[in-house]
Amino acid sequence: GAVVSQHPSWVICKSGTSVKIECRSLDFQATTMFWYRQFPKQSLMLMATSNEGSKATYEQGVEKDKFLINHASLTLSTLTVTSAHPEDSSFYICSASRTLNEQFFGPGTRLTVL
Amino acid sequence: AQSVTQPDIHITVSEGASLELRCNYSYGATPYLFWYVQSPGQGLQLLLKYFSGDTLVQGIKGFEAEFKRSQSSFNLRKPSVHWSDAAEYFCATRSNDYKLSFGAGTTVTVRA
Repeated sequence: GAVVSQHPSWVICKSGTSVKIECRSLDFQATTMFWYRQFPKQSLMLMATSNEGSKATYEQGVEKDKFLINHASLTLSTLTVTSAHPEDSSFYICSASRTLNEQFFGPGTRLTVL
Repeated sequence: AQSVTQPDIHITVSEGASLELRCNYSYGATPYLFWYVQSPGQGLQLLLKYFSGDTLVQGIKGFEAEFKRSQSSFNLRKPSVHWSDAAEYFCATRSNDYKLSFGAGTTVTVRA
C-alpha cells in the first residue's frame, strides 16, 4: 500500500513552453501533497505544500506564477511549469500524505528544457 | 529552523562490511528524524523514523539508527551491507508544520 506515481517520468520541452507533471496516490487518499525539486547530486528542496481543495502554500523564493500547483482531488495533484527555461531543468518529486506523520514519495520526473 | 547535516558526501564500503552514515541535527527540542533511501528510478523510501521513546530504532532492510541527544546525532547503521544497498541516503527532520528538511545526502557505493 501507499503507492505514489508520477507522470511523466521524463520530459523534454522547448524553452517557453509549459509542462504539466501529475502526482497520484494510487491506493490511498492524500489530504496533503508536497512538491520538491532536486538538482543533480543535491538534496531535495521543498517547493510547495498543497491541500485538496485549497491553494498551495509556496516556500520562500518559489515563484507561484511559474510553478502552478493544483490539488483537485484527494488522489491527484499537478505541477505545471509555465514558460519553462533551461534553468528550470531539474528532478521534480512529489510526496503524498494521509496523516502528515509520514510522506510517501513518487519516483520523480526529470524535466529537461532545451 | 530545524536542520540536519550529513558530513559524508560519499562512502565506499565492501560487501559484507558494516556501514555507518552520519547525521547531525540542529534543534533545541526533541526533533522528528527520518532516514530515507533513494535508488535510481524509485521514489524515496522510508527506512526508519524517530519521534520519541527508545533511542535505538529498528528499520527496514536491516537498518537501525540511534538517537543521541548528547551528540545531536542520528546515525544510520547496518551490520553487513549487500550490493543492493548502493544508493543515496538522506537524513531528514520534520518541522511542527509537517514539512521535511533534508540533509545533502550520502552516496553509498558497495564494492564486491
